[in-house]
Amino acid sequence: NAGVTQTPKFRVLKTGQSMTLLCAQDMNHEYMYWYRQDPGMGLRLIHYSVGEGTTAKGEVPDGYNVSRLKKQNFLLGLESAAPSQTSVYFCASSYSRGGAGGELFFGEGSRLTVL
Amino acid sequence: LAKTTQPISMDSYEGQEVNITCSHNNIATNDYITWYQQFPSQGPRFIIQGYKTKVTNEVASLFIPADRKSSTLSLPRVSLSDTAVYYCLVGLLNTDKLIFGTGTRLQVFP
Repeated sequence: NAGVTQTPKFRVLKTGQSMTLLCAQDMNHEYMYWYRQDPGMGLRLIHYSVGEGTTAKGEVPDGYNVSRLKKQNFLLGLESAAPSQTSVYFCASSYSRGGAGGELFFGEGSRLTVL
Repeated sequence: LAKTTQPISMDSYEGQEVNITCSHNNIATNDYITWYQQFPSQGPRFIIQGYKTKVTNEVASLFIPADRKSSTLSLPRVSLSDTAVYYCLVGLLNTDKLIFGTGTRLQVFP
């Protein structure tokens, strides 16, 4: 039982390059989230999904796209990376939004550097 | 959209009890209050969750008043390893978003 797995864990990009971060969960959770965390700062919600085939914008969605084609996977894409997107990205999943048992399970993070 | 509000930082010494309060005026009726702990270079991890009154587990207690507009995380007899950032998280009215506040950076000194 792996929980929430993020790949890759580290990546260096040049400005303008594209990439996709993969989040996979094996807990059959409906809700999945992508957050970014800049050094010394809190977590900011990028996009989220309330079930397979659905996605929605969070606090800071610009420059990112997401897809949830399969329930267990939530992909975060950067079409044209910018230095401002240098951050640690965390994926999380939960059984429910905020009810009982709705705690978030986080991945280990993906550290992205854009030069 | 109102976020949760917590003190930015707190200092304590080993063996003391630490209480961290979070205000969440727009909490949704059916949503629980959940606290997370985050160490550097790691994802946040679940500490405790509650809906009202008091909840206690092996690591912390959570106190929630009747109006549920705030909550207090209590860490008994902290140790150096409790140095971390603590976040409270609640579901907010009319939204599926789960937005973290700034968190409280707890520093425990020997």
